[in-house]
Amino acid sequence: GAVVSQHPSRVICKSGTSVKIECRSLDFQATTMFWYRQFPKQSLMLMATSNEGSKATYEQGVEKDKFLINHASLTLSTLTVTSAHPEDSSFYICSARDARRLAGGIRVTDTQYFGPGTRLTVL
Amino acid sequence: DAKTTQPPSMDCAEGRAANLPCNHSTISGNEYVYWYRQIHSQGPQYIIHGLKNNETNEMASLIITEDRKSSTLILPHATLRDTAVYYCIVSPFSGNTPLVFGKGTRLSVIA
Repeated sequence: GAVVSQHPSRVICKSGTSVKIECRSLDFQATTMFWYRQFPKQSLMLMATSNEGSKATYEQGVEKDKFLINHASLTLSTLTVTSAHPEDSSFYICSARDARRLAGGIRVTDTQYFGPGTRLTVL
Repeated sequence: DAKTTQPPSMDCAEGRAANLPCNHSTISGNEYVYWYRQIHSQGPQYIIHGLKNNETNEMASLIITEDRKSSTLILPHATLRDTAVYYCIVSPFSGNTPLVFGKGTRLSVIA
């Protein structure tokens, strides 16, 4: 299957600082990427949808000024947690949509692949 | 909200088949059934997806009932490394619709 990477895998920062997390699709181009977060013993919660070249769409309750998303290329989306606080400590996971087509335009796959996640701890 | 219902947990003996059920009685005609799994502290891993026909790949088999209201993921020979939370998700095949995760089934493979 397709490969999605995230960097860093783990980060510890002080309260009030900003943290940038990168999500890359390594062997395919992704016009759409998604950002999720997961708190301990809970399921994944969608934060935002990131489309290449346009503004991200945020889920209700997610502050767009706090969680800045940039999808500047077809293989890279970044999530910046600004002015981080301890309650932002969580497991952040991105996914990228692999929607490759054959030369004739026939869609051969449309599957989301997930990165390995980034564990953020805010002290 | 998730449109699927799964048992919260299941056990399976190592080497035996693991059969994970999923109910999706409100599935729409254009929605596929996707299965992912999440091993502790990792991102979800894609397993398989299908529309109405049974599907098989190197990881698992997916059996979808004729009315498409339920499905079963089959791991033919479970190993300890298959211990994970398994998520059944219904979603359109195309478009920018994100996957909505429910609580999944925690499968424990026991030696």
